[in-house]
Amino acid sequence: QKEVEQDPGPLSVPEGAIVSLNCTYSNSAFQYFMWYRQYSRKGPELLMYTYSSGNKEDGRFTAQVDKSSKYISLFIRDSQPSDSATYLCATVLRAGSYQLTFGKGTKLSVIP
Amino acid sequence: DSGVTQTPKHLITATGQRVTLRCSPRSGDLSVYWYQQSLDQGLQFLIQYYNGEERAKGNILERFSAQQFPDLHSELNLSSLELGDSALYFCASSVGEGPYSEQYFGPGTRLTVT
Repeated sequence: QKEVEQDPGPLSVPEGAIVSLNCTYSNSAFQYFMWYRQYSRKGPELLMYTYSSGNKEDGRFTAQVDKSSKYISLFIRDSQPSDSATYLCATVLRAGSYQLTFGKGTKLSVIP
Repeated sequence: DSGVTQTPKHLITATGQRVTLRCSPRSGDLSVYWYQQSLDQGLQFLIQYYNGEERAKGNILERFSAQQFPDLHSELNLSSLELGDSALYFCASSVGEGPYSEQYFGPGTRLTVT
């Protein structure tokens, strides 16, 4: 069982839809979670990060963590074609090494 | 543009060969990370260097090695290449060495082993 699980999709939605992207994790050393966005043929870029439980909002994006169920979510409101990308969640599973463990990514297409 | 540069962009080589991938971090960043991305495994952490010293090792094969030089650029050496080593290899850099230090990814090197 992979320690950070993410539905690979692909996910296809119409422009303007609300998108929900999800990950589950087995453990997190620092309760620190990240969402990366990766456009085709590019490197990942940090989209949002959040600590512990609760919500964090940044424009059209909201990151949510539910520690009790070990579930993290990224919501995209009013989705745009420019949001079409692969979204990867990540966390540090074990203290000491600080290495990030990524989910496999969910490929999102927003159709105009 | 993240400010992290990687060369070459593409590399095609044969099984059994050895290749070197190069990474220049963003100006001021002391940490360099190497990742391998394949369709079946996703993005996998290989190794991290901080200011010239190895800091963390992930799923890096013994056939692979890396180093960070005094000017902070890094090289990833892959030897005795196998078909399964075909993947995208990303370098990332950050100012600090801990988990809260944002990592900036380069554009990657696409390695094809034939």
